[in-house]
Amino acid sequence: NAGVTQTPKFQVLKTGQSMTLQCAQDMNHEYMSWYRQDPGMGLRLIHYSVGAGITDQGEVPNGYNVSRSTTEDFPLRLLSAAPSQTSVYFCASSPDSYYNTEAFFGQGTRLTVV
Amino acid sequence: KNEVEQSPQNLTAQEGEFITINCSYSVGISALHWLQQHPGGGIVSLFMLSSGKKKHGRLIATINIQEKHSSLHITASHPRDSAVYICAVRSTNFGNEKLTFGTGTRLTIIP
Repeated sequence: NAGVTQTPKFQVLKTGQSMTLQCAQDMNHEYMSWYRQDPGMGLRLIHYSVGAGITDQGEVPNGYNVSRSTTEDFPLRLLSAAPSQTSVYFCASSPDSYYNTEAFFGQGTRLTVV
Repeated sequence: KNEVEQSPQNLTAQEGEFITINCSYSVGISALHWLQQHPGGGIVSLFMLSSGKKKHGRLIATINIQEKHSSLHITASHPRDSAVYICAVRSTNFGNEKLTFGTGTRLTIIP
């Protein structure tokens, strides 16, 4: 099993550009989520999904869209990149959000918006 | 005040020392996670606790639900333990969808 795979690992965008961060897991996990990590702050939840076809907003959703058409994939779309979206992004998955289970994280995507 | 507070923020120790990292939280929780983030950036789950104590190799995690406090201990520390250690709680306030993270403790072990 590859676990949680995120691509790309690094990305530089110009302000106003759009892009999609990819996240895939091969563990048949129902629950997937996207976080951003900024200096001096804990990881913050952007969006999450409790299963295919179901997504919901986290605490910092503005400027991001997600979709969950399959159990395996949970892409994060930046609609019009802004310098405030410069951050490290992590995708995570776990078997179920309603039972306390271990979370598995991807390797992260370091995004710089200039 | 953050819901999850870690201390210390930074910790430097000599190889072989016993390490303690603390996590205090202010909300009701159903579980607490300890995570490790290496300089390369990836995050790995170390423990998930809802009560008592867990041990894996040289790592020990404890939790006191009444005091809303957890500790991560590393025995016989080694330079490869150098990483950021992150505490996260699954709050009962949010229907279990959300993990709230501490800001992490940066541990450096000097040979």
